Amino acid sequence: GAVVSQHPSWVICKSGTSVKIECRSLDFQATTMFWYRQFPKQSLMLMATSNEGSKATYEQGVEKDKFLINHASLTLSTLTVTSAHPEDSSFYICSAGGGGQHSYEQYFGPGTRLTVT
Amino acid sequence: AQSVTQLGSHVSVSEGALVLLRCNYSSSVPPYLFWYVQYPNQGLQLLLKYTTGATLVKGINGFEAEFKKSETSFHLTKPSAHMSDAAEYFCAVSGITSYDKVIFGPGTSLSVIP
Repeated sequence: GAVVSQHPSWVICKSGTSVKIECRSLDFQATTMFWYRQFPKQSLMLMATSNEGSKATYEQGVEKDKFLINHASLTLSTLTVTSAHPEDSSFYICSAGGGGQHSYEQYFGPGTRLTVT
Repeated sequence: AQSVTQLGSHVSVSEGALVLLRCNYSSSVPPYLFWYVQYPNQGLQLLLKYTTGATLVKGINGFEAEFKKSETSFHLTKPSAHMSDAAEYFCAVSGITSYDKVIFGPGTSLSVIP
């Protein structure tokens, strides 16, 4: 149980276009979802925290108008990278909490590799 | 505030040798601690976690870690390294609810020499 999926697993887009990444909790309701970004050879950096039905909370230095997060249901959160540029190329990972055996548990998705050309 | 440091961005061990990956944390509240492994171009896999209770925690693939409050440490060990253990390892700390952020350390890249 407690599976989180991401779609797509990889995407290539042209500079200036927008890309949407989906994060789904498949077998539990996720009250909170988190979005992370990971550059090559680096650690995961938290971008934002989203709670179902409310606005996301962004970490310092993350542009909320560029990285749009929507958490419209308890099983789906989306991250839209607007007007993508090559520097946005990264590995994006979501995690979902609120389900599972323990209240503290977060479950990570497999990640989405974004390449902006 | 919470933070994690991992001593050694890269560790090399011989196959069959002891693996020791170091993690120290800072937390203003009782921490929950985690070790994750990441293979190239893949997501994270949870190795083990400490929440409460026994301070020696056993995880998957023969790994274990010991929570030492006095040293604010949560070092990861494995008695005998396998080639398949070569990967990136992240120590992480969080609060006690699913609403709390998971803060990751910088990671340690483990190489296993045949």
